[in-house]
Amino acid sequence: DQQVKQNSPSLSVQEGRISILNCDYTNSMFDYFLWYKKYPAEGPTFLISISSIKDKNEDGRFTVFLNKSAKHLSLHIVPSQPGDSAVYFCAASARGFGNEKLTFGTGTRLTIIP
Amino acid sequence: NAGVMQNPRHLVRRRGQEARLRCSPMKGHSHVYWYRQLPEEGLKFMVYLQKENIIDESGMPKERFSAEFPKEGPSILRIQQVVRGDSAAYFCATKRAGTGGLNTEAFFGQGTRLTVV
Repeated sequence: DQQVKQNSPSLSVQEGRISILNCDYTNSMFDYFLWYKKYPAEGPTFLISISSIKDKNEDGRFTVFLNKSAKHLSLHIVPSQPGDSAVYFCAASARGFGNEKLTFGTGTRLTIIP
Repeated sequence: NAGVMQNPRHLVRRRGQEARLRCSPMKGHSHVYWYRQLPEEGLKFMVYLQKENIIDESGMPKERFSAEFPKEGPSILRIQQVVRGDSAAYFCATKRAGTGGLNTEAFFGQGTRLTVV
């Protein structure tokens, strides 16, 4: 039962262009969403988050968009840089229900082409 | 990831042995989460602990796995009688208690890679 889905296992983007990573969820109780970046042999690093009361959150080159009706969120990275090459995980939690454990997607491997 | 310490980074055990994984939270963090990542999969929640209390263990296998977070010292994830299927990367994440409605994010350690031979 995959409640958080990242349907693209990999994505290649030219340096300087926009990278768009997508994530879908099925559990209506999820009200908080996060994106993590992970390099090989390291732990996930928090990137950006969004509450379900918002539809957009921006932090520097990273913007997360949330479409609650479609149960879909996306991470935009612009401009993309070589150091952005990593695996990106989408995660969700049901904080409003007192449950802060994270449910992760399976990840998207982003490769930035110089 | 700086500050959340996991050790060992790599652990090799023979089938039937015990594995002990340690997680030392960042200073001021009183909440610990353990996650497991199998090859080519996302991270799966295992257990959520606060000091001396297990809050949510819904992701823990019913047998052989246990976790603790004592008043003093690191959190321990213990796997008894390991089997090949236990081979995975085990990550802990720690956070401070939220106050006044602030959302606090969890910081992950670098993980322990367990290999059962």
